[in-house]
Amino acid sequence: RKEVEQDPGPFNVPEGATVAFNCTYSNSASQSFFWYRQDCRKEPKLLMSVYSSGNEDGRFTAQLNRASQYISLLIRDSKLSDSATYLCVVKWGKIIFGKGTRLHILP
Amino acid sequence: EAGVAQSPRYKIIEKRQSVAFWCNPISGHATLYWYQQILGQGPKLLIQFQNNGVVDDSQLPKDRFSAERLKGVDSTLKIQPAKLEDSAVYLCASSHATRGKYEQYFGPGTRLTVT
Repeated sequence: RKEVEQDPGPFNVPEGATVAFNCTYSNSASQSFFWYRQDCRKEPKLLMSVYSSGNEDGRFTAQLNRASQYISLLIRDSKLSDSATYLCVVKWGKIIFGKGTRLHILP
Repeated sequence: EAGVAQSPRYKIIEKRQSVAFWCNPISGHATLYWYQQILGQGPKLLIQFQNNGVVDDSQLPKDRFSAERLKGVDSTLKIQPAKLEDSAVYLCASSHATRGKYEQYFGPGTRLTVT
C-alpha cells in the first residue's frame, strides 16, 4: 500500500455542484493532515489543516477518519476558481505529499 | 508579511554541470524544507532543517545533492553533477513548526531543466 494515495482524477464537475475526494494513508501513527491546492505552474498553497475529527472553512469541509485511515475534502457550491490540483499531506515524523487530485469545474 | 523567496526562478543547464538554488524563508520560521516536484507528481521532501540542523534528509540523493542553512535563516540547495532526471521544480517551504502546528508556506519554486 502506498504511503499516501489519492485518486488522480480528473474530476469534471459542473459549477455549483458538490464534489468530494479522499486520501488514504498507510501509517496509523500519522499525526497531522493537510490539504493544499496547487494551480497550474504555481506553488502549493495551504487550504486547510485537519487536526482532529475535521473542520470547516466556508464551502470547504475536511474530515479525518483514523479508523479507516483516510481524510476527505468536500467542496460545496463549486466555483470555476476551484479548478486546481488538490494535494493531501500526511505527517508522521516524515512528511508525505500525495500525487494530487485534479479538479475541473465546468461552466 | 513577506513570503518565501526563491531564486533563480528558472535555470537551464547541461547534464554534468552544477547548479545552486537559494531560499529565504518567512521571517521567524525555524523550519525550512526543500522539495522536488516532477511534472505530474506531488512534491517529494528532499531535506528538512530545524534552525541550522538537519531533521530529515532521508530522501536526499547525497551523492549529488547537498544543502546547507548555516545561520539558521536562508538556505542553498546544490546539485553537482546534474542528471537529466533532475529536471523538476525545486520548492522551498517554511513553517513555524511550533507544537502541533506544521503548516508550510511555499516559495514560487525554481524550474530546472537539464539538457
